[in-house]
Amino acid sequence: GEDVEQSLFLSVREGDSSVINCTYTDSSSTYLYWYKQEPGAGLQLLTYIFSNMDMKQDQRLTVLLNKKDKHLSLRIADTQTGDSAIYFCAETRGNQGGKLIFGQGTELSVKP
Amino acid sequence: DGGITQSPKYLFRKEGQNVTLSCEQNLNHDAMYWYRQDPGQGLRLIYYSQIVNDFQKGDIAEGYSVSREKKESFPLTVTSAQKNPTAFYLCASSIDVRGNYGYTFGSGTRLTVV
Repeated sequence: GEDVEQSLFLSVREGDSSVINCTYTDSSSTYLYWYKQEPGAGLQLLTYIFSNMDMKQDQRLTVLLNKKDKHLSLRIADTQTGDSAIYFCAETRGNQGGKLIFGQGTELSVKP
Repeated sequence: DGGITQSPKYLFRKEGQNVTLSCEQNLNHDAMYWYRQDPGQGLRLIYYSQIVNDFQKGDIAEGYSVSREKKESFPLTVTSAQKNPTAFYLCASSIDVRGNYGYTFGSGTRLTVV
């Protein structure tokens, strides 16, 4: 299909790990991204991974990339209430002027 | 500090009116983009521009128009032809016209039809 797909909701307890999953479509995507959106705000780039990497770790964030299955995941360790937000994955479409295609977003709810 | 500024933060439009949303960046980025966000639908691309005096339609361009007379500015006009304009509008820019290194987003404009 043409869409980048994510599950819509995820609820975790404070201190647990969160894993947000994404399936993308373009096998030629050079970079894949994770963005965070807090209520009423714009999107903030959290991290990105180059397509020749399998994993990238940045403090509490771990990104895993499975190119064979076109699957991207974001793991947040020791999830805090401040992590509650909507998380978007995005891929570049190299054959469409480099525009980013976003998933629908996963709303992460962290309960104390 | 460098960044993208969108104004106004909230905008109310009467039926049949055109309104213009402002987007200014001082990042010296070549490419700029307009997205529309509706609840549960993610972001949909309206228009994008990779260079001054040139722009391309995105997936939902009908009822919208843009201009790119200066590198720093990419205003979006929501015309009366847009039948359902109530949404959150996000402007973004990127240093690389191929989309590498991601986008920098503004804080958005919430448009409501009254």
